Amino acid sequence: AQTVTQSQPEMSVQEAETVTLSCTYDTSESDYYLFWYKQPPSRQMILVIRQEAYKQQNATENRFSVNFQKAAKSFSLKISDSQLGDAAMYFCAYRRATSGTYKYIFGTGTRLKVLA
Amino acid sequence: KAGVTQTPRYLIKTRGQQVTLSCSPISGHRSVSWYQQTPGQGLQFLFEYFSETQRNKGNFPGRFSGRQFSNSRSEMNVSTLELGDSALYLCASSSVGPRASGNTIYFGEGSWLTVV
Repeated sequence: AQTVTQSQPEMSVQEAETVTLSCTYDTSESDYYLFWYKQPPSRQMILVIRQEAYKQQNATENRFSVNFQKAAKSFSLKISDSQLGDAAMYFCAYRRATSGTYKYIFGTGTRLKVLA
Repeated sequence: KAGVTQTPRYLIKTRGQQVTLSCSPISGHRSVSWYQQTPGQGLQFLFEYFSETQRNKGNFPGRFSGRQFSNSRSEMNVSTLELGDSALYLCASSSVGPRASGNTIYFGEGSWLTVV
């Protein structure tokens, strides 16, 4: 069974600084998707970034980028120039690409605090 | 374009009662999936629907059920409520069936259920 692990329950970063959130996963599949979702106090899950496992190039979305290490099964999220609005819970998620399902497996989340 | 709409947003029920939660997907989206979020168990997949058919079901007791209508709106029902059913129930939608590669789901703001 696939699992997703986020070992950092909470992280803090100074405004304008850079922070990296860690995520590891376990799967025997070769084709899958990985995601980072942000959940602010409103509780709506917002997609931050997505990575296809078959792509070697790391995904980037503005200030957000990932370090995808397929062999190590690691998928970290780097937030550059942190802003107060980045404060939220961040969830790493996995989804099989070939099973015909939208079932996502989520990690336990990392609470990010941004200090002014 | 309106997002995923979930109703009601907040509700309180008594043990033993039943509850129905509703989800209206983004216009044009045909896939709907449901997740339960609790502090102890995190985000767990409940079930997913595509074109009125249940495609996948998570590891929840039979008290949890759902359906999807021809207009893609979905409902989930929990019967004989238990205290442990208190949670945030999140609905997500996607534009195509899960076999389409590269597609992403979009979440609603959730329905907060408190069982007393």
